[in-house]
Amino acid sequence: GENVEQHPSTLSVQEGDSAVIKCTYSDSASNYFPWYKQELGKRPQLIIDIRSNVGEKKDQRIAVTLNKTAKHFSLHITETQPEDSAVYFCAADNNAGNMLTFGGGTRLMVKP
Amino acid sequence: NAGVTQTPKFQVLKTGQSMTLQCAQDMNHEYMSWYRQDPGMGLRLIHYSVGAGITDQGEVPNGYNVSRSTTEDFPLRLLSAAPSQTSVYFCASSYTTGLEETQYFGPGTRLLVL
Repeated sequence: GENVEQHPSTLSVQEGDSAVIKCTYSDSASNYFPWYKQELGKRPQLIIDIRSNVGEKKDQRIAVTLNKTAKHFSLHITETQPEDSAVYFCAADNNAGNMLTFGGGTRLMVKP
Repeated sequence: NAGVTQTPKFQVLKTGQSMTLQCAQDMNHEYMSWYRQDPGMGLRLIHYSVGAGITDQGEVPNGYNVSRSTTEDFPLRLLSAAPSQTSVYFCASSYTTGLEETQYFGPGTRLLVL
């Protein structure tokens, strides 16, 4: 089945700096790659996603890039703010498109 | 709309006890799923359903049963609780049977098995 690796497990940045989180996946048939943000004690919430026919997608300060050949995708957050502090999870679907496999998560800390 | 709701919020069980975690959604979503989240780890899929009457196993199904008698409800049953099942359980739903849609998560159920 699908295996998703996520790095780093923790990331500390100064407010205003950029943050990059990287994920690799194993199943070349995966087509959908969402990113979720989970604040402490809360439920995960989708922040951005990308499909395999697109190389990059942006939404204000957040962008995701996908390299299907290398089987990796990344989350980029620019001009980080303290409210960006949370755990971020990447995920990839399986070849049937009915299951998501999640990475282990990255705890992002933005220092004011 | 209430979205995805889960009950109870917290539960303490003794080893060997059984219980049902409730999940309901009022968005007429076809796809529903159950995940568990262990400390410092990502979410792992337990079971999922692509519509009423249809369920299938995820990554970690052992020790859990599900049923989907209605579109709205997707209960998760622990047959004989074990300490290894101590976790936070999230139910999620999305509009279509495919996954290229936003997954809406419930607030979670914290389960402690002694």
